[in-house]
Amino acid sequence: SQTIHQWPATLVQPVGSPLSLECTVEGTSNPNLYWYRQAAGRGLQLLFYSVGIGQISSEVPQNLSASRPQDRQFILSSKKLLLSDSGFYLCAWAPMTTTNEKLFFGSGTQLSVL
Amino acid sequence: GESVGLHLPTLSVQEGDNSIINCAYSNSASDYFIWYKQESGKGPQFIIDIRSNMDKRQGQRVTVLLNKTVKHLSLQIAATQPGDSAVYFCAGSGGTSYGKLTFGQGTILTVHP
Repeated sequence: SQTIHQWPATLVQPVGSPLSLECTVEGTSNPNLYWYRQAAGRGLQLLFYSVGIGQISSEVPQNLSASRPQDRQFILSSKKLLLSDSGFYLCAWAPMTTTNEKLFFGSGTQLSVL
Repeated sequence: GESVGLHLPTLSVQEGDNSIINCAYSNSASDYFIWYKQESGKGPQFIIDIRSNMDKRQGQRVTVLLNKTVKHLSLQIAATQPGDSAVYFCAGSGGTSYGKLTFGQGTILTVHP
């Protein structure tokens, strides 16, 4: 069966510090991978998605970047965090098919930038 | 692009009642819709989905209805239980947003014993 791992669960970082959140998927190959952000427990905003290694699409301009160094690994990064980067970050995967499919979400990372 | 919204931000029901959560979408090219349940501090969990070639789909205690004419879908939960208390999100994809789900803002469901 497929599983998705996301870490850390919580993170407190000072403004201006770097960020690296990691997500890995097991039990599947060539998944579509996604990073979403959720503010104040409401509404999920798509940040990045990837359909393959090294292929990243950004949905909104921001202080963050994403990378996919391996097929089942997706990383969210920032060189210098802003207060506005605080939020609940969710990684998700979906099978790569020709039809729209449901996303499977990780457990999330609560990021607080102080 | 896709715009998905909800009519009510909160819904309170008594245990045992049926709950109905509504959602509207704007993109007529959307062909896939899904409902998620999210408990505090956790990632969203899949409840049920429906494709645009269907009007209704049933699961265990849940039913999703899709009205493409008015671009509306709803989630019905039968015999609501305290464990159903959570935030419920609808999401849709299709057309130019293929493979990418666009989420509504969520409805907070509170079930009173």
